[in-house]
Amino acid sequence: DAKTTQPPSMDCAEGRAANLPCNHSTISGNEYVYWYRQIHSQGPQYIIHGLKNNETNEMASLIITEDRKSSTLILPHATLRDTAVYYCIVRVKRSNDYKLSFGAGTTVTVRA
Amino acid sequence: SQTIHQWPATLVQPVGSPLSLECTVEGTSNPNLYWYRQAAGRGLQLLFYSVGIGQISSEVPQNLSASRPQDRQFILSSKKLLLSDSGFYLCAWGGIQETQYFGPGTRLLVL
Repeated sequence: DAKTTQPPSMDCAEGRAANLPCNHSTISGNEYVYWYRQIHSQGPQYIIHGLKNNETNEMASLIITEDRKSSTLILPHATLRDTAVYYCIVRVKRSNDYKLSFGAGTTVTVRA
Repeated sequence: SQTIHQWPATLVQPVGSPLSLECTVEGTSNPNLYWYRQAAGRGLQLLFYSVGIGQISSEVPQNLSASRPQDRQFILSSKKLLLSDSGFYLCAWGGIQETQYFGPGTRLLVL
């Protein structure tokens, strides 16, 4: 799976949009971008995934650049409960390698 | 909708004692099931995965074993716990297109 690079931390004001960047310059054509988050003392939570089109669900939006070398997760209206470590992962959607490789992620702190 | 349960939520066990952690999934059939471990401040390490009843694949050699006696039940076991077995144990199931969904986890402390 391609390696990803994320900033180690970022702060966000409550009620504002949080834009979380991820670089994946070595991504291959059949690899998807997945985002998970882990709130302290809980299991990771799936957020969203995409291949090349922008995606939106009830939690977030995923914007993937045209060359697919980077992406941005957008939390449209951050709340205090969005404070968590956010992980960007790229992997083949169906693969014999079942392992999800979580890097260090971005620690997002939402402040009142 | 699908839900995944793990128990117990926390466990304190002495070195050398046995271990049994259970994971069950509701609302889906024949899921892929996974056991991960997360050491304090570290990333997730895949321990075992299963693509069906009785089918277990181990990712790393260790003091632990896994079993899948029923379609939606996944058990993590040890005959004799080591101090290094302490950690946060997470069960996950793989949905359509292999997005993985995690349970609430079991925090194990071996003393």
